[in-house]
Amino acid sequence: NAGVTQTPKFQVLKTGQSMTLQCAQDMNHNSMYWYRQDPGMGLRLIYYSASEGTTDKGEVPNGYNVSRLNKREFSLRLESAAPSQTSVYFCASSDVGYERGFYNEQFFGPGTRLTVL
Amino acid sequence: QKEVEQDPGPLSVPEGAIVSLNCTYSNSAFQYFMWYRQYSRKGPELLMYTYSSGNKEDGRFTAQVDKSSKYISLFIRDSQPSDSATYLCAMSAWAGSARQLTFGSGTQLTVLP
Repeated sequence: NAGVTQTPKFQVLKTGQSMTLQCAQDMNHNSMYWYRQDPGMGLRLIYYSASEGTTDKGEVPNGYNVSRLNKREFSLRLESAAPSQTSVYFCASSDVGYERGFYNEQFFGPGTRLTVL
Repeated sequence: QKEVEQDPGPLSVPEGAIVSLNCTYSNSAFQYFMWYRQYSRKGPELLMYTYSSGNKEDGRFTAQVDKSSKYISLFIRDSQPSDSATYLCAMSAWAGSARQLTFGSGTQLTVLP
């Protein structure tokens, strides 16, 4: 099992350019998440998909769009990149658990380091 | 005010020391409390989780939760250079259509040989 994979690992964009970050998981998880990690800010949720066919905004969704392509894949798109979007982006996945005792362990990918000039 | 506050560090200790990492929180809806470990240039990995107030031990690691004070801690005994990483506390609650995690900002730990 590869777990959660992300492409690309690194990317440099110019202001105004667009790009899509790809994420795939092979653990048959229902839920997938996109986070950004900035120094001193921890991990902040951008968007999530509780299950195939649904997406919802997280804490910092402005400037991003997402697509849950199928159960395995969840992409993040920057339509017009800005320097404030320079960050490390992590994708994560987890099961959906409604029963008592389910603590929602999220499994993270290796990250994409994005620089916007 | 952030929902989760974590001592920022960085923290540097000699090998064999006892390390204490701490977080406070303000949201009473948090149900599960976790510690993730993140090595440099890697994704976070779950280290431990707890549900109720009290202590939970796993080898050299002890997680402590005090819900009345809204305070959680992670203790590392006999710290090793391989423990050098950033430690993130995380707390789980239902929000919207899924359980979500709210993370602390992380504490960078260096254990010196």
